[in-house]
Amino acid sequence: DVKVTQSSRYLVKRTGEKVFLECVQDMDHENMFWYRQDPGLGLRLIYFSYDVKMKEKGDIPEGYSVSREKKERFSLILESASTNQTSMYLCASSSPTGVRNSPLHFGNGTRLTVT
Amino acid sequence: QKEVEQNSGPLSVPEGAIASLNCTYSDRGSQSFFWYRQYSGKSPELIMSIYSNGDKEDGRFTAQLNKASQYVSLLIRDSQPSDSATYLCAVYNAGNMLTFGGGTRLMVKP
Repeated sequence: DVKVTQSSRYLVKRTGEKVFLECVQDMDHENMFWYRQDPGLGLRLIYFSYDVKMKEKGDIPEGYSVSREKKERFSLILESASTNQTSMYLCASSSPTGVRNSPLHFGNGTRLTVT
Repeated sequence: QKEVEQNSGPLSVPEGAIASLNCTYSDRGSQSFFWYRQYSGKSPELIMSIYSNGDKEDGRFTAQLNKASQYVSLLIRDSQPSDSATYLCAVYNAGNMLTFGGGTRLMVKP
């Protein structure tokens, strides 16, 4: 079974703090993703990566950055946390697209509260 | 028009009934389709994938795909209270980008 592990289940940070959300997968997947999920807005893609040291902006990258130094690890960084970044953050991974597209496998999520 | 649309619900069914969840998509070139279940406060969990027209069965779950009409559905037979959750439809478009629908909340009443 694919295991995607997010370092924190709950996190409370203050406005202006730099926040690191860590994600590790154990299936040697090339593709990794960061989403946020808010009531009424669904899942929104922040950043994704198809390879080490590679990153692509998703639909809502503003206020975020990412780091992928190793294949198994994809970090989301909030440079200066703001209250509107209070949300559930979901990391996911998938194997590369072959004959068929692969599904995403999600971590347990990090509920971040910025006060 | 949203790329992937689902009725937000809630869809309420009695225990033991068949729950029918629907999803429509806009890109005719879409090839891969997935259903996820998400319990409140938890992350989405993959329950079904379907790639070809027709039905695909897995236990109490059946996914149905009709590419000509651009819809995919999920049937849950013998619904149980533990099936109460939000069900997300996810579709890869022709450009290999995955888009999620907003989800349908299912409530199974004992």
